[in-house]
Order: sequence, then structure tokens, then C-alpha cells
Amino acid sequence: DAGVIQSPRHEVTEMGQEVTLRCKPISGHNSLFWYRQTMMRGLELLIYFNNNVPIDDSGMPEDRFSAKMPNASFSTLKIQPSEPRDSAVYFCASTNNRLTDTQYFGPGTRLTVL
Amino acid sequence: EDKVVQSPLSLVVHEGDTVTLNCSYEVTNFRSLLWYKQEKKAPTFLFMLTSSGIEKKSGRLSSILDKKELFSILNITATQTGDSAIYLCAPSNFNKFYFGSGTKLNVKP
Repeated sequence: DAGVIQSPRHEVTEMGQEVTLRCKPISGHNSLFWYRQTMMRGLELLIYFNNNVPIDDSGMPEDRFSAKMPNASFSTLKIQPSEPRDSAVYFCASTNNRLTDTQYFGPGTRLTVL
Repeated sequence: EDKVVQSPLSLVVHEGDTVTLNCSYEVTNFRSLLWYKQEKKAPTFLFMLTSSGIEKKSGRLSSILDKKELFSILNITATQTGDSAIYLCAPSNFNKFYFGSGTKLNVKP
């Protein structure tokens, strides 16, 4: 089992640029979560999908952030335009909540916005 | 409002000590509580607790849940330097997980 796959692992961009983060959940998992982690705010849930449908996006900071899940094996988190305060590690996690609540995290994408 | 409080925020101990980490929560439609260990990378799963009073053990780590008093503890006995990490608890309802701010544990040799 390859686990949750995220790309890129590191991203450095300039303020105002569009950033797209990608996630491939574990095969067979039906729920996917996007988190952001910073030293100041800890781990924050941004959005949660169940069976490819966004269930709760109340954690998305503002309209510059958007997330999609076009199919069960792929999700994107987009920031447009990016700002320095978006610098953080973004984690994707998946779970099969038909069987268990255990979330499996991807390795994360470290985003730096200059 | 759903919330999670972990204590202490940070802890410094010496190898061989026993530590107890606390997690109190208020979550509507509570379903389960998860503990994670996070070193320099992504969180890794430790335990999932759903029933009160049943201790889960894995080596030197153990955890228990009290659904009446709305808290959980994570115990680590005979600590080692490799236990140094941030420990996160995350109660969940049927819709989402709520992560606490974590307890930062530093085990000195």
C-alpha cells in the first residue's frame, strides 16, 4: 500500500502566484481531508470530502482557497492569489469511515510564499 | 462550540520517567478519539478509542477514554529520547475530527 501521496513536497512561490497542491488518497478510502499546519495555529482542518462531495469547508480561510475532488483517487487544493501568510505545511489525509475512524496522513507539502 | 484542550502544553522529562498527557473535549455526537504522534513530519496514528474504561496498549504507550467526564489520557512509561514529539488528540463526531494544539514532549538523556 503506497499510502497517501502528496505533490509537490516543497513549493516556493512569489506572492500573487497561483499554487496547486495535489493529493492521492489511499485506494478504497472514501473520505479525504485537507489540513494546514503552522507554528502559530497548529493543525487546522480546511475542508473535508466524503465520497468526493465537499461536506464541510468552514475551515477554508477565504475565497482565495478552493478545493476539488473530481474522482475518488485525486484531490486538489488551490490558492489564488497566494500570500506570505499562506506559508505552512499542508497535509492531506484519508480514511475509510465505513470501517474505522483512523486517518492516514500524507507526507505534506511545505509551501513558502515570498 | 466543539473544542479540545490538551495539557500540559509542553513537558520536559528524563529518560526512564513516566508521563501522562491529558485531553479534554466537548464534541457533539462524539464518535471516537484518536491519538497521534508527530515528530518532524506528518502525524502518525497511535490509538483509536471508542469505549470508556477500556485501556489500549502498545508497548510502553497506553491510553484510556472516559466518555462521562469527557477526557482521555495517554501514558508513556520508561520514556526514551525517541518519544520526543508532539502528541495530538483528535475527538471526532460523524462529520469531522477536532485536533487539539498538542503536548510537546521533550525527553532528555
